[in-house]
Amino acid sequence: DAKTTQPTSMDCAEGRAANLPCNHSTISGNEYVYWYRQIHSQGPQYIIHGLKNNETNEMASLIITEDRKSSTLILPHATLRDTAVYYCIVRPMIYNQGGKLIFGQGTELSVKP
Amino acid sequence: GAVVSQHPSWVICKSGTSVKIECRSLDFQATTMFWYRQFPKQSLMLMATSNEGSKATYEQGVEKDKFLINHASLTLSTLTVTSAHPEDSSFYICSARGLADSYNEQFFGPGTRLTVL
Repeated sequence: DAKTTQPTSMDCAEGRAANLPCNHSTISGNEYVYWYRQIHSQGPQYIIHGLKNNETNEMASLIITEDRKSSTLILPHATLRDTAVYYCIVRPMIYNQGGKLIFGQGTELSVKP
Repeated sequence: GAVVSQHPSWVICKSGTSVKIECRSLDFQATTMFWYRQFPKQSLMLMATSNEGSKATYEQGVEKDKFLINHASLTLSTLTVTSAHPEDSSFYICSARGLADSYNEQFFGPGTRLTVL
């Protein structure tokens, strides 16, 4: 599976947009980009995933560059409850290709009042 | 989204005893379940993958005789930490993935905090 690189930590002011970058320069054609987050002492929570088009749901937006070598997760109006570690993961989408979620170190996002 | 539960949420045990942790998919059938371990200030580490009705596949460096995994039904997987020692103290998290398209994603349980005295 392709590796990802994320900044160790980021700060964001409450109410502002949080933009979390992720580099995945060795991503393969059949690998999707997934984002999960983990609030302290809880299990990870699925946020969003995408292949090559930008995606948006009720939680966030995912912007993937045209060459697919990097992406950005956008939380449009960050709240204090968005303080968490955010993980960017790439894995094959096809069910029978295994597609284990392997977690890197993630980005620790601190939303401040 | 799909709901995955774990029981217990925390457990304290004496060194040398065995501890069983349950992972249940509440509203979908989980053909595959995953077990992770997380030490303080570290990321999640995948321990093993289990498919319903077959033996678990362990990641390199994980002792299969120490961490017994059973996935006997489509909604339940158990992890037994045998002869637990203080170094096994950790946060254990399971996740589940189903067959249906909408549940091809992995959904995570809330985790179990194990403390071995």
